[in-house]
Amino acid sequence: SYELTQPPSLSVSPGQTARITCSGDALPKRFSSWYQQRPGQAPVLVIYRDTERPSGIPERFSGSPSGTTVTLTISGVQAEDEADYYCQSSDNNDIVLFGGGTKLTVL
Amino acid sequence: EVQLLESGGDLVQPGGSLRLSCAASGFTFSNYALSWVRQAPGKGLEWVSVMSGSGKVAHYADSVRGRFVISRDDSTNTLYLHMNTLTAEDTALYYCARPLDLCGSSTCSTSPFDVWGQGTMVTVSS
Repeated sequence: SYELTQPPSLSVSPGQTARITCSGDALPKRFSSWYQQRPGQAPVLVIYRDTERPSGIPERFSGSPSGTTVTLTISGVQAEDEADYYCQSSDNNDIVLFGGGTKLTVL
Repeated sequence: EVQLLESGGDLVQPGGSLRLSCAASGFTFSNYALSWVRQAPGKGLEWVSVMSGSGKVAHYADSVRGRFVISRDDSTNTLYLHMNTLTAEDTALYYCARPLDLCGSSTCSTSPFDVWGQGTMVTVSS
């Protein structure tokens, strides 16, 4: 199976835009999702099917696919957005894959 | 309210076995595939296994195939993970997760997880 690659960390100041990337060869053919995980908590789905946002997720969260890369964008970052973010997809053998995670620090 | 509640985590010696349970409520259990996802201390998420809603199809990560067995009991709305030949690398918080979509008899690998339990901790150490 293939891998999903994310940058390990990203730091932004409050009010700025955070862009977290996830790269994988099969991403053009498979939907991706994004999860937010705060310390000591279970993951929360924030983006699915590349661009869809679940109810209750703030509009500042958005997703965009481009070739073998998908991007989670958080516009106007707030202190509460500090968390680990994981992308997720699947391969042709019905195996679920997670990226290694990106730790977002709000300065 | 849709809920998943894991239990069964414990301290176990290398080479030992353990059975985890995930009690589901608030939805029609047999309609959904369910997965186990684990997270080693300070590490990222790792998908472990999935079973279809029918119970007829199961898939496993390479790291656990041949050692772990997933099963479900629709009469009690419970998902299980039977873990054998445990090693230190299996030490993790184990989550039960439900996909967003109803996928019939498939394992729903393309559907995101919109419901997660709080996890149960497995520690493998002598």
